[in-house]
Amino acid sequence: GQQLNQSPQSMFIQEGEDVSMNCTSSSIFNTWLWYKQDPGEGPVLLIALYKAGELTSNGRLTAQFGITRKDSFLNISASIPSDVGIYFCAGQGNNQGGKLIFGQGTELSVKP
Amino acid sequence: NAGVMQNPRHLVRRRGQEARLRCSPMKGHSHVYWYRQLPEEGLKFMVYLQKENIIDESGMPKERFSAEFPKEGPSILRIQQVVRGDSAAYFCASSVTVGGPVNTEAFFGQGTRLTVV
Repeated sequence: GQQLNQSPQSMFIQEGEDVSMNCTSSSIFNTWLWYKQDPGEGPVLLIALYKAGELTSNGRLTAQFGITRKDSFLNISASIPSDVGIYFCAGQGNNQGGKLIFGQGTELSVKP
Repeated sequence: NAGVMQNPRHLVRRRGQEARLRCSPMKGHSHVYWYRQLPEEGLKFMVYLQKENIIDESGMPKERFSAEFPKEGPSILRIQQVVRGDSAAYFCASSVTVGGPVNTEAFFGQGTRLTVV
């Protein structure tokens, strides 16, 4: 079955630093989504990517859909304490309906 | 506009009891998905439903688990004869349509945290 490998598993950074995390897949995806989950809450959609090579920004967040359609990255610039949380990538394959395959998550800690 | 509503937020059941988790999708959304999340893991797909139909249940355990999305009312995830291993957070998501490129984003509820004692 389709699998996603997300890295790094965790990151500890200083406020103001930039952050980068990525996901790779064993197979092609048609859509890549990036979510953030706070403790005790559901995932919140940050960025959606629909085309290979697409680069999309949402404030300090930038994400790209890899040209091979098997990878994606998320960058956070100038991190702030409220960026703390777990970030998940999710992919949607062909003929999968709306079913999402999730990565294992990247736990981000920001030190003021 | 209300988001995806799940209830209860927390549910405690003794081994052998039944757990019923409810999900009301966002207004205008006719596609519902259930995911399970174990501690410190990503979300795992369980089932995808459209009104009155199960479209994909490839992630559902073969026994004790069932899901429905009736014509009227919320989607229900039902777990019979719960065991300790069923303890997890169960998330529901909804979307307007599928197949991209627009309106395929899935929006998640806050989840139901099931604890089996």
